[in-house]
Amino acid sequence: NAGVTQTPKFRILKIGQSMTLQCTQDMNHNYMYWYRQDPGMGLKLIYYSVGAGITDKGEVPNGYNVSRSTTEDFPLRLELAAPSQTSVYFCGISSRAPKEGYGYTFGSGTRLTVV
Amino acid sequence: TQLLEQSPQFLSIQEGENLTVYCNSSSVFSSLQWYRQEPGEGPVLLVTVVTGGEVKKLKRLTFQFGDARKDSSLHITAAQPGDTGLYLCAGAQGGSEKLVFGKGMKLTVNP
Repeated sequence: NAGVTQTPKFRILKIGQSMTLQCTQDMNHNYMYWYRQDPGMGLKLIYYSVGAGITDKGEVPNGYNVSRSTTEDFPLRLELAAPSQTSVYFCGISSRAPKEGYGYTFGSGTRLTVV
Repeated sequence: TQLLEQSPQFLSIQEGENLTVYCNSSSVFSSLQWYRQEPGEGPVLLVTVVTGGEVKKLKRLTFQFGDARKDSSLHITAAQPGDTGLYLCAGAQGGSEKLVFGKGMKLTVNP
């Protein structure tokens, strides 16, 4: 039971290149999220999904796209990489238990550098 | 504008000392969570608090949710080097499961 798996772990892109960050979960949770973490800035929500076929924008969606064709996978796409997208990207899932509140499980992250 | 303000942002202490981290906001949250993150890894959930005034304990860690559900604190007793890491608070508002994160508090516990 791996939880949330992100690939790749590291990537260097040139300006204008594109790439897909992969996120796969084996916990059968509907809610999935993509966050980016910049130094000293906490985590900011890029996109999220409440189930297969349903996605929505978060706080910082510009320059990114997502899709959710299955419960397990939630890839994040960068079409034209820019230096401002240099960051660490985390994929997460949430368990929904109204009485206990929500808890996230995160992957180990993808460190992306755009040069 | 940061919705959740954490203080202090950095703390370096000796093993055995106590410390308190604060997470403050002018907004009300339906739940508030605390995470710990180590270098090169994703944040790991420590606790979720949902009721105003709630206190939860996890070994040497004590978490409190403010009565008005706008703030929270994390108290660590007798800190150990293994407590070193980035401590993040995060809140959910209304019926949403989307989280807003604070900037974090970087803790270093020296042996």
